[in-house]
Amino acid sequence: AQKITQTQPGMFVQEKEAVTLDCTYDTSDPSYGLFWYKQPSSGEMIFLIYQGSYDQQNATEGRYSLNFQKARKSANLVISASQLGDSAMYFCAMREEYSGGGADGLTFGKGTHLIIQP
Amino acid sequence: DAGITQSPRHKVTETGTPVTLRCHQTENHRYMYWYRQDPGHGLRLIHYSYGVKDTDKGEVSDGYSVSRSKTEDFLLTLESATSSQTSVYFCAISARRDRANTEAFFGQGTRLTVV
Repeated sequence: AQKITQTQPGMFVQEKEAVTLDCTYDTSDPSYGLFWYKQPSSGEMIFLIYQGSYDQQNATEGRYSLNFQKARKSANLVISASQLGDSAMYFCAMREEYSGGGADGLTFGKGTHLIIQP
Repeated sequence: DAGITQSPRHKVTETGTPVTLRCHQTENHRYMYWYRQDPGHGLRLIHYSYGVKDTDKGEVSDGYSVSRSKTEDFLLTLESATSSQTSVYFCAISARRDRANTEAFFGQGTRLTVV
């Protein structure tokens, strides 16, 4: 089973609208972190926001917020007031503190290609 | 921006030739990682290092080897390149492993084409 699932391969959104990018995860590790990265067409990976499994409140960073629903194993990224510059690939990723017995590092979803239309 | 430099940024090589990609960091971070990115797969972990001379395999390690002789450098080697190794390779670093919330910083990526 996939550890990180992003069900939206692509999305078109009108400028200034709010956007929700879906991410569900699978882990039995009680301690884990969830990350969102943005990859513009230039190719670099830009860290956006982080949510810890023990955090009581949803993370926010400027226009980005993370809608964390632990019981549903969901960590959706919300972008408020979208801008043309938000057009990019967005990746959800997870780090398990004990790596589930496997390798260290981040496990990524397959990404969502977001296009903001004027 | 985190000080991570990947070299080369682009490379075209022939099937069967050896290729080495370099990741250099100036942050003195202990943990370093190599990922590959392919359409439809996101990023997948190839190998990682948790210190000088300490490395381990990731999800897609077959056909790759790594070395870390200095804290700042992490080398990825394709011993005999194949067309299936055509990909974009990313290096990442992080300061800690014992906390799940440790952010990973990524290099700019290396686009490798095997013909």
